[in-house]
Amino acid sequence: EVQLLESGGGLVQPGGSLRLSCAASGFTFGSYAMSWVRQAAGKGLEWVSGISGSGGSTYYADSVKGRFSISRDNSKNTVYLQMNSLRAEDTAEYYCAKVGSGGWNDYWGQGTLVTVSS
Amino acid sequence: DIQMTQSPSSLSASVGDRVTITCRASQSISGYLNWYHQKPGKAPKVLIYAASSLQSGVPSRFSGSGSGTDFTLTISSLQPEDFGTYYCQQSYSTPMYTFGQGTKLEIK
Repeated sequence: EVQLLESGGGLVQPGGSLRLSCAASGFTFGSYAMSWVRQAAGKGLEWVSGISGSGGSTYYADSVKGRFSISRDNSKNTVYLQMNSLRAEDTAEYYCAKVGSGGWNDYWGQGTLVTVSS
Repeated sequence: DIQMTQSPSSLSASVGDRVTITCRASQSISGYLNWYHQKPGKAPKVLIYAASSLQSGVPSRFSGSGSGTDFTLTISSLQPEDFGTYYCQQSYSTPMYTFGQGTKLEIK
């Protein structure tokens, strides 16, 4: 059974940093790309960042480019999202998701809430 | 960037109704279109991938069609558990897989 478990969310002041983790199980982790998708309260889904199976390629939405960094440790079956220079508009539920062979997100975690506020 | 536009933004329908949601891409995405369903407080779940392929475990009342820029999600006979928000997503522009703004479905 595929499971994705996010952690690391919380309350942080504007300008602060936070690192999210997503522990995966139930599939050959290093064979699949992973994504982070966020959702502000009452709003739609926003793709944030993606990383290839090897970790050699990383991608970011314009809204987070230069502030967020995605990485993965295939020995620990974990993907990370380092978030720096956080802004109020980064407040959202953050989901990690496995990327299927055709680009769709076939499995999602339960989400972790990030709140940026003073 | 490829923009995805869904219509309607919201709708209300009765159990047993046939429901159709449309999604339009700002440029051709071939068949690289996916549909998700999200209930309040829960993570999204994929229903349809590659425009018309039904994800394993998803009821057959859900179907998808379309190619190029225009796509449709159809629920043939609406059930009470189908309430929630539906999102389309393009997976053509690797890997910036943008979502539509969502369609909120309420059961009358």
